[in-house]
Amino acid sequence: GDQVEQSPSALSLHEGTGSALRCNFTTTMRAVQWFQQNSRGSLINLFYLASGTKENGRLKSTFNSKESYSTLHIRDAQLEDSGTYFCAAEANNAPRFGAGTKLSVKP
Amino acid sequence: GGIITQTPKFLIGQEGQKLTLKCQQNFNHDTMYWYRQDSGKGLRLIYYSITENDLQKGDLSEGYDASREKKSSFSLTVTSAQKNEMAVFLCASRGQGTGQLYFGEGSKLTVL
Repeated sequence: GDQVEQSPSALSLHEGTGSALRCNFTTTMRAVQWFQQNSRGSLINLFYLASGTKENGRLKSTFNSKESYSTLHIRDAQLEDSGTYFCAAEANNAPRFGAGTKLSVKP
Repeated sequence: GGIITQTPKFLIGQEGQKLTLKCQQNFNHDTMYWYRQDSGKGLRLIYYSITENDLQKGDLSEGYDASREKKSSFSLTVTSAQKNEMAVFLCASRGQGTGQLYFGEGSKLTVL
């Protein structure tokens, strides 16, 4: 079965609001990475975590290896945050991706 | 900073044809990856290589070959193109099997 389960599959936010995206893992992972895929298909690096929490502007991510999950929090959403967000997690040298969360930010 | 260059950006082939995608990186990274992304889906790992001349199968290696003849380049061959494998193929790299992945812009495969 899938090692990386991502939720929700789709999310709609109004500008200025926030929410959390989540990845659950079915096996122990040593690191997780979060990406935004824009409308052109480019993958933009957001975070790489081997543990703990990182913050960058309006984004914050947490990785809990013991409890097998990672979250990505978006606050004060802007129109340019729209896109598909992926987590990729690895137990060894081979990161596996979740199915993605399609985020739409509306005015 | 470095860059990952994938060629060609668009590849059109006939069913049953053998097709090759190329990936070059100038990060001096050890590990390179090939992923496939079907429309509206996540990325699936095809092959990866942790050093020159090394090859490791991913979850989707059936129907593909890969080659890592130089540290800076990693090629992927579709051995017999099928219509159900029209997708975007993404190459990535990183240093010494750890740390964040860096991706190329992708190669879109169309099979007629």
